[in-house]
Amino acid sequence: EAQVTQNPRYLITVTGKKLTVTCSQNMNHEYMSWYRQDPGLGLRQIYYSMNVEVTDKGDVPEGYKVSRKEKRNFPLILESPSPNQTSLYFCASSLTLAQPQHFGDGTRLSIL
Amino acid sequence: RKEVEQDPGPFNVPEGATVAFNCTYSNSASQSFFWYRQDCRKEPKLLMSVYSSGNEDGRFTAQLNRASQYISLLIRDSKLSDSATYLCVVNLQTGANNLFFGTGTRLTVIP
Repeated sequence: EAQVTQNPRYLITVTGKKLTVTCSQNMNHEYMSWYRQDPGLGLRQIYYSMNVEVTDKGDVPEGYKVSRKEKRNFPLILESPSPNQTSLYFCASSLTLAQPQHFGDGTRLSIL
Repeated sequence: RKEVEQDPGPFNVPEGATVAFNCTYSNSASQSFFWYRQDCRKEPKLLMSVYSSGNEDGRFTAQLNRASQYISLLIRDSKLSDSATYLCVVNLQTGANNLFFGTGTRLTVIP
C-alpha cells in the first residue's frame, strides 16, 4: 500500500530534550516536506526536500533540522524543543514538485 | 498579503444543499491548484486537482479563474459525510518555497 508513515503519532516531552520525528514514504517520491498546523494559522511549511541531499527552508524553519540521506526518509529533528513547538506535524511527499502531495497521519507533539 | 486566502467559515448547510467556496491567490505566476479535504485532527487528503478548463468529479466541481486569480469548489447535493475543512493549495512550481496552503473553510452539513 502506498503511504507516508510518521512516527511517533503522539509525543509528550519536556523542554530541551532532543527528539526526532521520522517520516518514510514507499512511493519513490522525490519531493518531501514537513508542515506544522496550528489553530487559525493553517499548514505552514517547515522544511522541504527536492531530492536526496537537497533540503531547503520553508516558512517556519527556526528550531528545526532535517536530513535527506535516502530518498524514502525525511526525519524532522528538534534539537532543543520549546513549548512554542507544541503543534500537529505532517510529513508529505509527492512524485515531483508539480504533483499533489500525500500526507502522513500526523504527529501531535506537546512540549512541556 | 497572504499568498492564498480562504473564507474560514463556518458554512452550515442542510443536507442536499449546494455550496460553493472560493479561494483567492496573489501570485499570477501560480501554475497548479488543488483542493484538499481535512477531517478533524486527520491528515489532509487530495480531493481534486483544478484544471484550467474546469473539472468535475461526481458532485464536486472545481474551477479556475486566472484573470481574477481565484479557484472555486462547488459541492452539489451535500451529504453529512461532506462535513470537513476544505483547503486550497496553490503551487508556483518555481523550485523555491512555492507551495501555499489556505487556512481552510469549515463546512458542516446539517441533517
